[in-house]
Amino acid sequence: RKEVEQDPGPFNVPEGATVAFNCTYSNSASQSFFWYRQDCRKEPKLLMSVYSSGNEDGRFTAQLNRASQYISLLIRDSKLSDSATYLCVVSRAGNTPLVFGKGTRLSVIA
Amino acid sequence: DVKVTQSSRYLVKRTGEKVFLECVQDMDHENMFWYRQDPGLGLRLIYFSYDVKMKEKGDIPEGYSVSREKKERFSLILESASTNQTSMYLCASSWMAGDEQYFGPGTRLTVT
Repeated sequence: RKEVEQDPGPFNVPEGATVAFNCTYSNSASQSFFWYRQDCRKEPKLLMSVYSSGNEDGRFTAQLNRASQYISLLIRDSKLSDSATYLCVVSRAGNTPLVFGKGTRLSVIA
Repeated sequence: DVKVTQSSRYLVKRTGEKVFLECVQDMDHENMFWYRQDPGLGLRLIYFSYDVKMKEKGDIPEGYSVSREKKERFSLILESASTNQTSMYLCASSWMAGDEQYFGPGTRLTVT
């Protein structure tokens, strides 16, 4: 099983739609979880951290299910500007680097 | 705001040349990382450093070396560039290795 797995997409959705991405991870000892956003030909940027209790930032909601080892990102009321690749990121145990998923591509269409 | 800068946005080199990519961060982060990103393969870790003069191999260190003489600067060296090293190179930094990482803008390297 890969350390972090994401559906590569692309997800093509109309403006205003709600879209959800899932990500699974293999290391049950992982402690930190993030969603990053990467625009075409740009660097990844932190979108939000994912906490055990779930967290929300405007139209974005992230949830963590430790028992099933998956993380989700929900985007409500999609905007054209949400078009990007979304990377699921998970820590390994100990003081070791993060593991990045390959990303899920989202295209929001007018 | 954390700022990570990279020496070049675009670079074209010839096969066999020695290539230096430099990265500087201004947040006093302990950890620095070099990745390459290729279509369909995602981000792959080349090397990382958790302290000055310390380095650790990542997942794909072959053909690369690194140098960290000062805390804020982490250099990636391609000793003899090859065409299969044509890629986007991204530098990042963080407080602890498992903390969120801040990325530089990337260097798109083409080896001909």
